[in-house]
Amino acid sequence: DSGVTQTPKHLITATGQRVTLRCSPRSGDLSVYWYQQSLDQGLQFLIQYYNGEERAKGNILERFSAQQFPDLHSELNLSSLELGDSALYFCASSEDRSHTGANVLTFGAGSRLTVL
Amino acid sequence: QKEVEQDPGPLSVPEGAIVSLNCTYSNSAFQYFMWYRQYSRKGPELLMYTYSSGNKEDGRFTAQVDKSSKYISLFIRDSQPSDSATYLCAMSLRSGGSNYKLTFGKGTLLTVNP
Repeated sequence: DSGVTQTPKHLITATGQRVTLRCSPRSGDLSVYWYQQSLDQGLQFLIQYYNGEERAKGNILERFSAQQFPDLHSELNLSSLELGDSALYFCASSEDRSHTGANVLTFGAGSRLTVL
Repeated sequence: QKEVEQDPGPLSVPEGAIVSLNCTYSNSAFQYFMWYRQYSRKGPELLMYTYSSGNKEDGRFTAQVDKSSKYISLFIRDSQPSDSATYLCAMSLRSGGSNYKLTFGKGTLLTVNP
């Protein structure tokens, strides 16, 4: 157990629908990252939050949004789902040693989304 | 040209073999270099990270960074079936202020056969 908890583990839904993925970071970690992993694209950075505020944005679609709550858990909302959104979505957290650049991320087990 | 290139494999070796996994990169601003291991149906876990050029050893694993060639390697000695996983290289650089951008390779699938 990495200490990063993601729910749900598996999700099957239809095109056009909306889903919410949830992440609880490791105790003491202030930063939460969301990644999408597909076979052809690899691990793609979506967005990072630090202590409730958005810190960095990657290849996140406008149909996707995220937030980090005061208790530091985070949610990733995916709307108007398309077949191509089927992927593994990982949450990771870090101590945020940003002053050194050694972004040591601890990943959760992922949420597997299947869009039919 | 992609920032980080990694041969996806798959790579299949017999137990006990020495495994060499590699990544090349194009951006000389990368400062930190990491290797993550990802077992099937699990999240990636950090294996090793290095800052400067040279070697870093941890048990059967050695990470090597050659900044002049923009090339990093992970060597696994006496490979075991339990090493079968996808290995992802990752690199970070300063993207502004105190922010650092982390970029992953696509991963190499390794199978160690008993």
